[in-house]
Amino acid sequence: EIVLTQSPGTLSLSPGEGATLSCRASHSVTGSYLAWYQQKRGQAPRLLMYGASSRATGIPDRFSGSGSGTDFTLTISRLEPEDSAVYYCHQYGNSPFTFGPGTKVDIK
Amino acid sequence: QVQLQESGPGLVKPSETLSLTCTVSGGSISYYYWSWIRQSAGKGLEWIGRIYITGSTNYNPSLKSRVTMSVDTSKNQFSLRLSSVTAADTAVYYCARENYFDGSGYVSDNWGQGTLVTVSS
Repeated sequence: EIVLTQSPGTLSLSPGEGATLSCRASHSVTGSYLAWYQQKRGQAPRLLMYGASSRATGIPDRFSGSGSGTDFTLTISRLEPEDSAVYYCHQYGNSPFTFGPGTKVDIK
Repeated sequence: QVQLQESGPGLVKPSETLSLTCTVSGGSISYYYWSWIRQSAGKGLEWIGRIYITGSTNYNPSLKSRVTMSVDTSKNQFSLRLSSVTAADTAVYYCARENYFDGSGYVSDNWGQGTLVTVSS
């Protein structure tokens, strides 16, 4: 099973700033089948990125993803208050599919 | 716009079987994988498994001995059964559609709102 580790655990930032979220896998993720989800309180996760760097439908270009192998990054530029959420990485290249523990982003 | 809705008992007794159904509306159940994912405070997000319309399944080995998934294309529904539940199975259960993106495999792009299932006597 591939274990995903995310850092930092929490980010506290101001509107307009940028955020860099890291996801590290215990083994190489096949095909860079790595996704990022945003989850707001009381809601289901929302797909942001797939294939490490492809944006899902309707996701603004302030969100970008990169990486391959075992190291992946989600970058959020020009943070807005609505970006406050927990962000999860998810590998779906190797069964069982797994999720990281999440990074909480607070926008103050 | 495809929508998914979980349904089933919110309370299940220990040792009994948890049964949930996901109804897909606004689109066909064909050509996708359909998955179940749960989220608990203790274990975070956990992939339970998935099923294709042919009935082909992939289960998480940690739950495989207790999980059964099925699909009913005539009703646009798919289901989850988890047997011999304990308090550790208390979680919000989500159903999700796995959509194929060229060169990027099948990824869960559309989720139900989730349903809380509590295991308690």
